[in-house]
Amino acid sequence: NAGVTQTPKFRILKIGQSMTLQCTQDMNHNYMYWYRQDPGMGLKLIYYSVGAGITDKGEVPNGYNVSRSTTEDFPLRLELAAPSQTSVYFCASTVRQGTFFGQGTRLTVV
Amino acid sequence: QQQVKQSPQSLIVQKGGISIINCAYENTAFDYFPWYQQFPGKGPALLIAIRPDVSEKKEGRFTISFNKSAKQFSLHIMDSQPGDSATYFCAATGSGSARQLTFGSGTQLTVLP
Repeated sequence: NAGVTQTPKFRILKIGQSMTLQCTQDMNHNYMYWYRQDPGMGLKLIYYSVGAGITDKGEVPNGYNVSRSTTEDFPLRLELAAPSQTSVYFCASTVRQGTFFGQGTRLTVV
Repeated sequence: QQQVKQSPQSLIVQKGGISIINCAYENTAFDYFPWYQQFPGKGPALLIAIRPDVSEKKEGRFTISFNKSAKQFSLHIMDSQPGDSATYFCAATGSGSARQLTFGSGTQLTVLP
């Protein structure tokens, strides 16, 4: 039981490039989320999913896409990277006991 | 619209002292209020949480106080230790939602030895 696993831990992208941030959980949780964290700010919700095949926009979805083909995986896609997407990204999943976060992906767009 | 306001932004406490972080919320549909602790380079870790049917919850040195009428809740860290130095986030979520969390802006706590 590894909890919520994110890859990669670090990435540098050039403006206009695309990439996928991977997130997987082995706890059979239905609810999963992507947040971004900017310096001095709280976490902002990008997208969330309440189960396989169901996704919805959060507070800051522009420039991102997600998919949820299985219960375990919830990848986040950046299609045309922009400097404003430089941030730390956290994937999370929720059960009755609470919401648990991965270790984060630090993304820099240059 | 910021739905959860957190203060102070930073806090410095001497070892053995009490650290107090405050949060206020606007949405009366919120029904679960967790606190997260985050160390540099790590993801937020659930520390303690409370539901609005109780006014206080204590786990070890950590206590949440909850005032439903004022729509405020706070985290008290008793006998603060240097190892408690971290960023603390309050959050809230509602029963009718997909349980997504709305976060405060965070408090950077430094406990001096």
